[in-house]
Amino acid sequence: DAGVTQSPTHLIKTRGQQVTLRCSPKSGHDTVSWYQQALGQGPQFIFQYYEEEERQRGNFPDRFSGHQFPNYSSELNVNALLLGDSALYLCASSLVGLPLGGELFFGEGSRLTVL
Amino acid sequence: AQTVTQSQPEMSVQEAETVTLSCTYDTSESDYYLFWYKQPPSRQMILVIRQEAYKQQNATENRFSVNFQKAAKSFSLKISDSQLGDAAMYFCAYRSATGDGGATNKLIFGTGTLLAVQP
Repeated sequence: DAGVTQSPTHLIKTRGQQVTLRCSPKSGHDTVSWYQQALGQGPQFIFQYYEEEERQRGNFPDRFSGHQFPNYSSELNVNALLLGDSALYLCASSLVGLPLGGELFFGEGSRLTVL
Repeated sequence: AQTVTQSQPEMSVQEAETVTLSCTYDTSESDYYLFWYKQPPSRQMILVIRQEAYKQQNATENRFSVNFQKAAKSFSLKISDSQLGDAAMYFCAYRSATGDGGATNKLIFGTGTLLAVQP
């Protein structure tokens, strides 16, 4: 049973560029959330997708956008990259309808470095 | 807004000993969930233990147990018989129970505690 998979694992961009990160949820899961984890910090919630719509959003600017596809996979897009966008980006999946205390399954993340 | 605070940036424990990691949180909600996640160098977050706020009984998972003090808004993790494989970053996290019918996956994390296990 494949868990949450993310790609790419590492990437380097320069300021002003755009980046797309990808996530495939755990088999059977229909909800995907994205988190940003800066070095030495805890993850911060960016947004969540369910039924191909953004359902909830954290305190992130519009430069951060996403998409969910019919097969439940998801993309995170960041435009006009800033040095401060350098972080580990984590994807987490779950199944709607499970109790809220249900487990989120995380991927290993995509490490973005902005130069 | 809810906040989670972990005041111990680093902790160290001898193998086979017991260690307690601290976490405090702030919320005005009465129903919520609390979690401890482990993040090894592989970077993947792994759920260690969860606690439902409306349950008074402290959660236990094998060598891991919590001390949940709702009035004090405290949620500490005790690791017994520490093993080398327990070495990792540990994050305390909060999840509201008033989410949109289960469609909200917003966790609020603390800044983490790096646990070293000495052989």
